[in-house]
Amino acid sequence: DTAVSQTPKYLVTQMGNDKSIKCEQNLGHDTMYWYKQDSKKFLKIMFSYNNKELIINETVPNRFSPKSPDKAHLNLHINSLELGDSAVYFCASSQDNGYNEKLFFGSGTQLSVL
Amino acid sequence: AQKVTQAQTEISVVEKEDVTLDCVYETRDTTYYLFWYKQPPSGELVFLIRRNSFDEQNEISGRYSWNFQKSTSSFNFTITASQVVDSAVYFCALSSTGNQFYFGTGTSLTVIP
Repeated sequence: DTAVSQTPKYLVTQMGNDKSIKCEQNLGHDTMYWYKQDSKKFLKIMFSYNNKELIINETVPNRFSPKSPDKAHLNLHINSLELGDSAVYFCASSQDNGYNEKLFFGSGTQLSVL
Repeated sequence: AQKVTQAQTEISVVEKEDVTLDCVYETRDTTYYLFWYKQPPSGELVFLIRRNSFDEQNEISGRYSWNFQKSTSSFNFTITASQVVDSAVYFCALSSTGNQFYFGTGTSLTVIP
C-alpha cells in the first residue's frame, strides 16, 4: 500500500564499497527524484527522471548513478563509497515534471559509511 | 537565484500554544509555487500545502493556517493550539521554471506536553 517505497531503510557499509538503493512508486506518476538530506537536515536534489528520461542531474559525483528501468522505478547506485556520502537519501515522485507538482516522498534510506 | 530562508532553526512551545514558522523566499520568476512539508520523527516528508504566486489568499486547514504575502516574500505557517503530534521538522520550499525545488533548511518544532 505504500505509495513510494525505498529499500533498504538502513544501510551501513565500509568505505570503498558499492551499494544500491531501490525505489518504487505505485502512484502512476511520471517523474521520480532522488534527494539527499545531510546531517543538518538540508535537502538537496540529486536527480530527477521523467518517463525514464534524465531531466535533472545536479552537481553530484559520478560515483552516483541513477537507473530507471521503467517509470515506476528509480534506483540509485553508489560506487566507491566515501565517508561524506553518509546521509539520508530520499526517493520521491510527482505526477509530472511541472514545477507546480507536489512531491510524494519515500521514508528514506539512512546510509552510514564507516 | 532561488533561495528559501527559514531563520528559525528550533522552536519549543508548550502544548496548546500557537506557533508561527517563518519562511522568506527569493526568486526573480513571476510564476512560482510555494510549499510546506512536514518531517515527523519517523522521517518521511509529508506534503502540507501548495500555493501559487498569483493566489495570495490565506488558507486555513483545521489548526493549520498559512499567510502568503508577496510584498514581503513570505509564506508563514501558523499552528494554532499546538499538540505533541505537531513535533516535527517543517520545510518551506519554492519551485519555479526549471522544475527544481529549493528547500529551506527546516524549522524543528518541539511541542512540550
